[in-house]
Amino acid sequence: ETGVTQTPRHLVMGMTNKKSLKCEQHLGHNAMYWYKQSAKKPLELMFVYNFKEQTENNSVPSRFSPECPNSSHLFLHLHTLQPEDSALYLCASSPHRGPYNSPLHFGNGTRLTVT
Amino acid sequence: QQPVQSPQAVILREGEDAVINCSSSKALYSVHWYRQKHGEAPVFLMILLKGGEQMRHEKISASFNEKKQQSSLYLTASQLSYSGTYFCGTGIGAGNMLTFGGGTRLMVKP
Repeated sequence: ETGVTQTPRHLVMGMTNKKSLKCEQHLGHNAMYWYKQSAKKPLELMFVYNFKEQTENNSVPSRFSPECPNSSHLFLHLHTLQPEDSALYLCASSPHRGPYNSPLHFGNGTRLTVT
Repeated sequence: QQPVQSPQAVILREGEDAVINCSSSKALYSVHWYRQKHGEAPVFLMILLKGGEQMRHEKISASFNEKKQQSSLYLTASQLSYSGTYFCGTGIGAGNMLTFGGGTRLMVKP
């Protein structure tokens, strides 16, 4: 298995639920990212981890809680979300934090719907 | 501040050419280009660095004009497989995160 894998592909949750998104990369990369992709809006960076340490939190509400237990796995824990949080959540990885000179490798995303 | 892409959408016939532009209000250090098909992950196309050369991916090439703070993506003799949304991501320094444009939706028809 290669690349960046995200599960689940689709998730429907109520505003009072708690759920988690999972991302796994098999590329040996040191940096991992969470992006939010909403309709008609640019990709928004949410969190960055480099060697398991969080290096960026792009003013994300506390109802989103990331976790990076090792360089290969990244989670996004969700609780008491709002309908406007419905979006495609993309995980990405790169050899190092940045990345100005190497590609981002994206997963297929989790399509989240908050009801 | 996010870069501005133009046009927002373009429809081509197979074999036609297109240009997608990505403009920034800040001096740029690097520009990434990605293509995303519906329901799929964005896929890397190429990176252009300050002071670097024009890049190429199959029949797609790109340029980086540092003075104009702009990059352009050139799609030559378009194929059906080129359909998708193209995103540019810009970086203002070696340690800075990329900021993405709003995307250009490209549709190639037979």
